[in-house]
Amino acid sequence: KAGVTQTPRYLIKTRGQQVTLSCSPISGHRSVSWYQQTPGQGLQFLFEYFSETQRNKGNFPGRFSGRQFSNSRSEMNVSTLELGDSALYLCASKLGPSTDTQYFGPGTRLTVL
Amino acid sequence: AQSVTQLDSQVPVFEEAPVELRCNYSSSVSVYLFWYVQYPNQGLQLLLKYLSGSTLVKGINGFEAEFNKSQTSFHLRKPSVHISDTAEYFCAVSAGNRDDKIIFGKGTRLHILP
Repeated sequence: KAGVTQTPRYLIKTRGQQVTLSCSPISGHRSVSWYQQTPGQGLQFLFEYFSETQRNKGNFPGRFSGRQFSNSRSEMNVSTLELGDSALYLCASKLGPSTDTQYFGPGTRLTVL
Repeated sequence: AQSVTQLDSQVPVFEEAPVELRCNYSSSVSVYLFWYVQYPNQGLQLLLKYLSGSTLVKGINGFEAEFNKSQTSFHLRKPSVHISDTAEYFCAVSAGNRDDKIIFGKGTRLHILP
């Protein structure tokens, strides 16, 4: 069974631009979560989607948004990029909200210049 | 709300020596506890988890952890490390209802010395 895939793996943008990252969960998994990883703040939870609905949300500004499609694939969008948005963005999937084990993708490395 | 503290940001240890990575958590409710490993340029991989039952949990790659409720700790141990264990290790906690989000510690970088 294929693992969690994220595209693109690397991305370079400039301040003020917007970016969309994509995550395909493991087949059969319907819950997708997004995390931001930086050296200073570590891993921070962004949001979780299940059945196309946002179930949980972390403490990030409204510039960070996401969505989930009917096939469970998820996208996250960051608008008006800032230098501090440079990070590794990780996606994780699990069967559903009531299961405990998440499986992580390799991440998308976003650099904002 | 839950929180987790990893007391050491870096731990150097000689190859074949034992290692303990420390993790303490804070919560007003029962919790689930996890240890993840992140190898360079990769995502996170689950090492082991504690949900309930036996407080000694065995995971992959020879790692184990012990849940200590009175000390609110979940330290990770391995009796003999290998160079391939070089990675960053994350302790994580969630409320014990499976619906809650997982909160991660800031990570401990394990350096294996030859």
